Amino acid sequence: AQKVTQAQTEISVVEKEDVTLDCVYETRDTTYYLFWYKQPPSGELVFLIRRNSFDEQNEISGRYSWNFQKSTSSFNFTITASQVVDSAVYFCALSEAPGTYKYIFGTGTRLKVLA
Amino acid sequence: ETGVTQTPRHLVMGMTNKKSLKCEQHLGHNAMYWYKQSAKKPLELMFVYNFKEQTENNSVPSRFSPECPNSSHLFLHLHTLQPEDSALYLCASSQDRGTSGGGTWETQYFGPGTRLLVL
Repeated sequence: AQKVTQAQTEISVVEKEDVTLDCVYETRDTTYYLFWYKQPPSGELVFLIRRNSFDEQNEISGRYSWNFQKSTSSFNFTITASQVVDSAVYFCALSEAPGTYKYIFGTGTRLKVLA
Repeated sequence: ETGVTQTPRHLVMGMTNKKSLKCEQHLGHNAMYWYKQSAKKPLELMFVYNFKEQTENNSVPSRFSPECPNSSHLFLHLHTLQPEDSALYLCASSQDRGTSGGGTWETQYFGPGTRLLVL
């Protein structure tokens, strides 16, 4: 069965703290994509990253970094030196087979960054 | 500015009303989607249009009626809705690099959503 689990429902941190959002997935496929999206209070889901199952290299983009580990079926997201503007709901998603349109979303993690 | 726009952003309607949600994408994509996001539930895929053809109807009640006149526009016509239909309705688009109905589907980009309240 395909499944994405974001066990952290809500996280609160103080500005400038680092925070890691966890994502654990289940799939029988050997080829799949993983995604992270950000949903600020305005509602729009903002695409952050897509990673295919054959690329386990960690990625860094500014204050954002992603740690993909197939051995533990995890695709965790770390924000370094968090800012108030990072406050949002973050969704992890999985699509199986080479780029199918069917995304399986986690239930999201609400991040609150306090000034 | 986002490549996917949705109007209206907020909508309040009675159960006997008829209304339509509109989505427009400016990204040159050929696939468009409607999702429903209810509180404390994962995003639910409702409809998928690829090259203007509906390729997915995820057991959505007939009171929701999609329309895709061209690859840039997508509508969701609403009639006789129920209070439990209150939710955020999100539109998305992507590029299918294969032939119609198959191929490699690229990343989905979302609009800001329409927040719907059914009284």
